[in-house]
Amino acid sequence: QQQVKQSPQSLIVQKGGIPIINCAYENTAFDYFPWYQQFPGKGPALLIAIRPDVSEKKEGRFTISFNKSAKQFSLHIMDSQPGDSATYFCAASNSNSGYALNFGKGTSLLVTP
Amino acid sequence: DAGVTQSPTHLIKTRGQQVTLRCSPISGHKSVSWYQQVLGQGPQFIFQYYEKEERGRGNFPDRFSARQFPNYSSELNVNALLLGDSALYLCASSRSALDTQYFGPGTRLTVL
Repeated sequence: QQQVKQSPQSLIVQKGGIPIINCAYENTAFDYFPWYQQFPGKGPALLIAIRPDVSEKKEGRFTISFNKSAKQFSLHIMDSQPGDSATYFCAASNSNSGYALNFGKGTSLLVTP
Repeated sequence: DAGVTQSPTHLIKTRGQQVTLRCSPISGHKSVSWYQQVLGQGPQFIFQYYEKEERGRGNFPDRFSARQFPNYSSELNVNALLLGDSALYLCASSRSALDTQYFGPGTRLTVL
């Protein structure tokens, strides 16, 4: 049972575009929402994370928007570059369960020159 | 500082065999978690250990077991391998069980 649903499965944008990746969850006990970036042959690397007490968080070109009432959160990548081409995973966890991460299925992003 | 290290990088086994995967956490991190990532999917949580005690277990059969050593390194064991166990096995470390998890490069297991 997928606890975090991620869309789209794949995404192609031109350099400078703003890809948006969306995630939805059902478990209201989740209280930590990280995004990971994964390149082929590598482990996931933490990009940015948010907790439900804020609606938006920015770190460099990456922004998370969080809608607690809708149980949705999204990743925006500003001024996307070809080097951003990777697979992106959203995740959610509950501090009462030791922060075991529940991942979405991933979004394969391609940024064309 | 060195990141999370895992060994071996790649492994090929046959059905029914047993395998042991190893993980060394970031220096100062006391928690290790294991995840299975099947091709084209997100990682699935297997185990979390903190201070040598199991703190969480995902929905995996008893063929999967793990332990954490006094130096906080960890091993994941899988017995009676099935074809479906073929995956990238990821180890993540964190300062405590409730902190940000940092992933290693993974061990690619192929079961023939």
